[in-house]
Amino acid sequence: AQSVSQHNHHVILSEAASLELGCNYSYGGTVNLFWYVQYPGQHLQLLLKYFSGDPLVKGIKGFEAEFIKSKFSFNLRKPSVQWSDTAEYFCAVNTGTASKLTFGTGTRLQVTL
Amino acid sequence: DAGITQSPRYKITETGRQVTLMCHQTWSHSYMFWYRQDLGHGLRLIYYSAAADITDKGEVPDGYVVSRSKTENFPLTLESATRSQTSVYFCASRGSEAFFGQGTRLTVV
Repeated sequence: AQSVSQHNHHVILSEAASLELGCNYSYGGTVNLFWYVQYPGQHLQLLLKYFSGDPLVKGIKGFEAEFIKSKFSFNLRKPSVQWSDTAEYFCAVNTGTASKLTFGTGTRLQVTL
Repeated sequence: DAGITQSPRYKITETGRQVTLMCHQTWSHSYMFWYRQDLGHGLRLIYYSAAADITDKGEVPDGYVVSRSKTENFPLTLESATRSQTSVYFCASRGSEAFFGQGTRLTVV
C-alpha cells in the first residue's frame, strides 16, 4: 500500500527565509504527487501537482517542488516565505491504478515577522 | 456556482445518535472521497466512491456508512456516534485533481 511521510511536523521561519519541506512516499510504480495547503480555518487547496515530464514543478504563490524518483521524494520549496504563507502543508500521492489520495500527516509552517 | 459543498459546517451531537454529513458536487466527477482530519494524523480516508452505486472502504471505515445513489451526492453517516469520531470531516471530488469542501466540524459529546 502506498504511504507518505512528512518528517517536519512544525517549522518556524522568519519572513524572507527559504523554505524546504520534505515529502517521501513508498510505492515502486508510477505515482502522481501533490502538495496541498490549508490556511487556518479553511479547506485544502492545491499548490502544485506532478504527473509526468519535467520533475521540477512550479505551482501557485511562488512554490515549487522537485520529484526525485531515485529518492522517492517530492520536496516543496519556496525561496522567500511571507507571513501569509503561515499554513499547514500536506503532501499527497496516488498511484497510477488508483484514484484515492494518500496524505502525509502535514507540516505546520509558521512564518514570523 | 460550480463547486463542492458540505453541510452542516458545524454539528454537535450526543454519543449514540445517528448523524449524516452531506456532500454535493457540481462537476459530475466520478470519484468522491470522505476524509477525517485529526491532529497528528493528517487526513485519513474513510470511504471513497468511484461512481454512483460503487463505494469502497478507506483506512478508517469503522463506524461509518456511505451511499452514492446519485453522482453528485455522497453522504456520510455515523450510525451511532462515539467521542472518538469528534473530528473535522472533509469531502472531496476528483477530476485531474481533487477539490475539497469547506469541511464539517463534528463534536460528539
